[in-house]
Amino acid sequence: AQSVTQPDIHITVSEGASLELRCNYSYGATPYLFWYVQSPGQGLQLLLKYFSGDTLVQGIKGFEAEFKRSQSSFNLRKPSVHWSDAAEYFCAVARSGGSYIPTFGRGTSLIVHP
Amino acid sequence: GAVVSQHPSWVICKSGTSVKIECRSLDFQATTMFWYRQFPKQSLMLMATSNEGSKATYEQGVEKDKFLINHASLTLSTLTVTSAHPEDSSFYICSVTGVNYNEQFFGPGTRLTVL
Repeated sequence: AQSVTQPDIHITVSEGASLELRCNYSYGATPYLFWYVQSPGQGLQLLLKYFSGDTLVQGIKGFEAEFKRSQSSFNLRKPSVHWSDAAEYFCAVARSGGSYIPTFGRGTSLIVHP
Repeated sequence: GAVVSQHPSWVICKSGTSVKIECRSLDFQATTMFWYRQFPKQSLMLMATSNEGSKATYEQGVEKDKFLINHASLTLSTLTVTSAHPEDSSFYICSVTGVNYNEQFFGPGTRLTVL
């Protein structure tokens, strides 16, 4: 079975600073990888996804993520964080060729200081 | 992507009562719907998967007699928490997907508080 590890429970950055949220996965083959964002009391919004091809994936809101097979990682990055980016971020992995049902990491809470 | 709504957005009920939560796909033929549960500061846990017109498939450890799921049409699924107890208090989120789609579209969630 696949699994996802998000090692950072909280990340605090200053507005305008760069951001990297870590995600490591465990899966025997190349997985499908996702990053979601959840604002307080809200559902999840897909930021970006990786299925195959270019390992650097561009998403919405200026986010990008890079799939590194050798490190089993799919870290999320943003060059300049805005206060509105403060939210909970979830990395997820699904079985390739499967039904796209993701297994979620525990989430990383992003705090943005003015 | 699909627009998904949930109703109600929050509900408070007494212990022992049943609560029904609706998940609607507003502009999308949702062949498959999912129900998740999320405890505070924790991740989403898949409870069940349902295909339109079929019985739901429940994840291990989820009581199917307690969490009744009905997926009667391509736009509506309901989750009924029967004889709710305080430990059922949680944030319930539905999601939908369709044929030839490789992602899920999530609803805004329903906050259930059982007193």
